[in-house]
Amino acid sequence: GAVVSQHPSWVICKSGTSVKIECRSLDFQATTMFWYRQFPKQSLMLMATSNEGSKATYEQGVEKDKFLINHASLTLSTLTVTSAHPEDSSFYICSARGASGSGDEQFFGPGTRLTVL
Amino acid sequence: SQQGEEDPQALSIQEGENATMNCSYKTSINNLQWYRQNSGRGLVHLILIRSNEREKHSGRLRVTLDTSKKSSSLLITASRAADTASYFCATDGGSEKLVFGKGTKLTVNP
Repeated sequence: GAVVSQHPSWVICKSGTSVKIECRSLDFQATTMFWYRQFPKQSLMLMATSNEGSKATYEQGVEKDKFLINHASLTLSTLTVTSAHPEDSSFYICSARGASGSGDEQFFGPGTRLTVL
Repeated sequence: SQQGEEDPQALSIQEGENATMNCSYKTSINNLQWYRQNSGRGLVHLILIRSNEREKHSGRLRVTLDTSKKSSSLLITASRAADTASYFCATDGGSEKLVFGKGTKLTVNP
């Protein structure tokens, strides 16, 4: 099956610093990647949709200047949390979807736990 | 917005028993998917059922879909302790985006 990796798996940073999270599709080309955030004991909330070579589309209420998304290639998307604050502490999960016609399934990464002190 | 709503929110059963979780949604869909998430981990895709399908099986999993009632159920038969996890339904709402429900936390006691 298709594999999606995330790096790092966890990160602890000081308030005010920026953190970059990578999402890679290992064995397929992902034309679309999605970034989700999950707070403890809650469901996944879609933050943004990222298409290779174009600007990400952010969901309502998600600050695009705070959560920078880059989808520079068909196998890599990055999420940068800029000037992180304790309230940004969460579990960030990406998913990837292949080219049109390859099915509707999204393949999820293992997640990155961000803790901002 | 979250359109998938699972019930129950939590379910505790004994090993060997069957577990049934339900999901309701609000808009038209192309398909509905079920995922499992172990604590602090990523999501594992379990099964996808299309809007023109009524039932689908995969191993010990059985999923039904009733588009007239906008609901789906996930049945896990002969549960095992390893099935302990949170289970989420996700709908596409007619687009490529997935909208997740709040999930059912299943505990299977040995």
